[in-house]
Amino acid sequence: GQNIDQPTEMTATEGAIVQINCTYQTSGFNGLFWYQQHAGEAPTFLSYNVLDGLEEKGRFSSFLSRSKGYSYLLLKELQMKDSASYLCAVMDSNYQLIWGAGTKLIIKP
Amino acid sequence: EADIYQTPRYLVIGTGKKITLECSQTMGHDKMYWYQQDPGMELHLIHYSYGVNSTEKGDLSSESTVSRIRTEHFPLTLESARPSHTSQYLCASSRRDRDTGELFFGEGSRLTVL
Repeated sequence: GQNIDQPTEMTATEGAIVQINCTYQTSGFNGLFWYQQHAGEAPTFLSYNVLDGLEEKGRFSSFLSRSKGYSYLLLKELQMKDSASYLCAVMDSNYQLIWGAGTKLIIKP
Repeated sequence: EADIYQTPRYLVIGTGKKITLECSQTMGHDKMYWYQQDPGMELHLIHYSYGVNSTEKGDLSSESTVSRIRTEHFPLTLESARPSHTSQYLCASSRRDRDTGELFFGEGSRLTVL
């Protein structure tokens, strides 16, 4: 079966750095996506990786290793507004998105 | 700012009722999706569409139907609501490109079936 694993919850301090990991086992791979979802709101797109390596976008970076079935989302200079759930999703061989359950990130002052 | 709209945002209905959740987008996107999401859980694909007159079933499609008569409109119908349908329903759209996983989501319709 297809599977996306990410930690259920993480806590970090305002101003610090946090890394949210995602491992996947899917039938085929056509890209990995990270989304942010604030409580009670819809997910919003953050990043896309299809080749190995690091993609940087402001305070957020996303890393991919296809051989290891592994990705992480790195958030720097954490702000209170970064408190949200972060969803990892993989596009499989049928170009369908397989979603993880999300990691709830709690930011403390 | 989102250009994809869902109505109603909140709905409480009784068992056995027929309901339609509306979704419209103004971005001209060909692909549209319906997802179901329970708190703290992953998104489950209910139905999707590649364009007008195209509809496909996802993992949770057996108790609902969709139609795609116009590019911008993708309504979801539950013929007979049950308490197990209580959930958040999210509509999304994306460009035609096969490899785009950048979805634009509506704000969701939260359904409670008594």
